[in-house]
Amino acid sequence: GAVVSQHPSRVICKSGTSVKIECRSLDFQATTMFWYRQFPKQSLMLMATSNEGSKATYEQGVEKDKFLINHASLTLSTLTVTSAHPEDSSFYICSARQGRWEQYFGPGTRLTVT
Amino acid sequence: AQTVTQSQPEMSVQEAETVTLSCTYDTSESDYYLFWYKQPPSRQMILVIRQEAYKQQNATENRFSVNFQKAAKSFSLKISDSQLGDAAMYFCASPGGSNYKLTFGKGTLLTVNP
Repeated sequence: GAVVSQHPSRVICKSGTSVKIECRSLDFQATTMFWYRQFPKQSLMLMATSNEGSKATYEQGVEKDKFLINHASLTLSTLTVTSAHPEDSSFYICSARQGRWEQYFGPGTRLTVT
Repeated sequence: AQTVTQSQPEMSVQEAETVTLSCTYDTSESDYYLFWYKQPPSRQMILVIRQEAYKQQNATENRFSVNFQKAAKSFSLKISDSQLGDAAMYFCASPGGSNYKLTFGKGTLLTVNP
């Protein structure tokens, strides 16, 4: 099956610093990856769509300058949370699209900003 | 706007019994897929089953099957012979706009009682 990895699984950073999260498709190439945020006991909220070789498309209300996305290769997308604040603490999940509609998900990253 | 409605926030079932989770959706797409994902306590999103909208036959994967009613835009998940390992949050997903995005329902928390 299609496998997506995400690193790190947990990260704690201080307020004002930046943190990078990597999402990799291990056994397939993904021209499109998605980044989600999930609060406890809630559904997934799409933050942005990452397309290889082009700029990311952000959902309404998501700050582009705060959540920087780079999709430099067909197997890697990164999300950088810049100048992190405690309210950015959350569970971040990436997915990689295979075929037209199917998405395979990474295991998620728990970000805690102190 | 694309919407997905899961009207049952929580469901419970006895081990070995059958349970059905409901989902309705709204999409303007003509050729699409629908998905059920499972999120256990580990928070890893796992694809349970997919349904191609142009296929009249309901999808089946072992103990999991769907009842797809295209005209009613209904897509329910039936779990037969429920097992303790089926306990999880279940999300229904349907097309969510450009780039083959998915829109997720709010989820149904399934408890399996021994």
